[in-house]
Amino acid sequence: EVQLVESGGGLVQPGRSLRLSCAASGFTFDDYAMHWVRQAPGKGLEWVSSISWDSGSIDYADSVKGRFTISRDNAKNSLYLQMNSLRAEDTGLYYCAKDNYNSGSSSSTFRDWGQGTLVTVSS
Amino acid sequence: SSELTQDPAVSVALGQTVRITCQGDSLRRYSASWYQQKPGRAPILVIYDKNNRPSGIPDRFSGSTSGNTASLTITGAQAEDEADYYCNSRDGSNNHRKIFGSGTKVTVL
Repeated sequence: EVQLVESGGGLVQPGRSLRLSCAASGFTFDDYAMHWVRQAPGKGLEWVSSISWDSGSIDYADSVKGRFTISRDNAKNSLYLQMNSLRAEDTGLYYCAKDNYNSGSSSSTFRDWGQGTLVTVSS
Repeated sequence: SSELTQDPAVSVALGQTVRITCQGDSLRRYSASWYQQKPGRAPILVIYDKNNRPSGIPDRFSGSTSGNTASLTITGAQAEDEADYYCNSRDGSNNHRKIFGSGTKVTVL
């Protein structure tokens, strides 16, 4: 059974940093691209970032480019999101998601999702 | 960047059929996926590559695409289908990016 468990969320002041983690199990982690998707309170889903199996291809939404960094450690079956210069509009539930295909490349289909970790940016 | 447009809300009588649409230029080039999200829960993939269902998704869910419009159809809607539904695809102006529709709230009457 695929399991994705996010952690690292919390309350942080604007301008500060936070690092999210996603622990993956139940599948061969380095066969799949991985993604971060967020959801502001009461709002829709927003894609944040994607990373290929070997970290060779990384993409970001314009809203976070230059501030967020996605990374992965295949030896630890873990995905990360380093978030710097946080803004109030970054507040939301951050989901880790596994790609649908075991090609290792990033698609737009998110097969499995974690339960999310809540990030609140407020002074 | 591209956009995907969805109706904010639709309702369907129990046991009847409802179609949810998603419009956007990117759908002319890239296939749509659909996700179901119930309150307080993570999204669940229900349709991908236009009309493929992951294991465990009931066959009352189906998908189709015509031109710039993707559709998710629920044939014989059940009470448990009441949820928010989101479409997504690659961004037509930059295929490395992904985009989501704004979501459709489905109410089963």
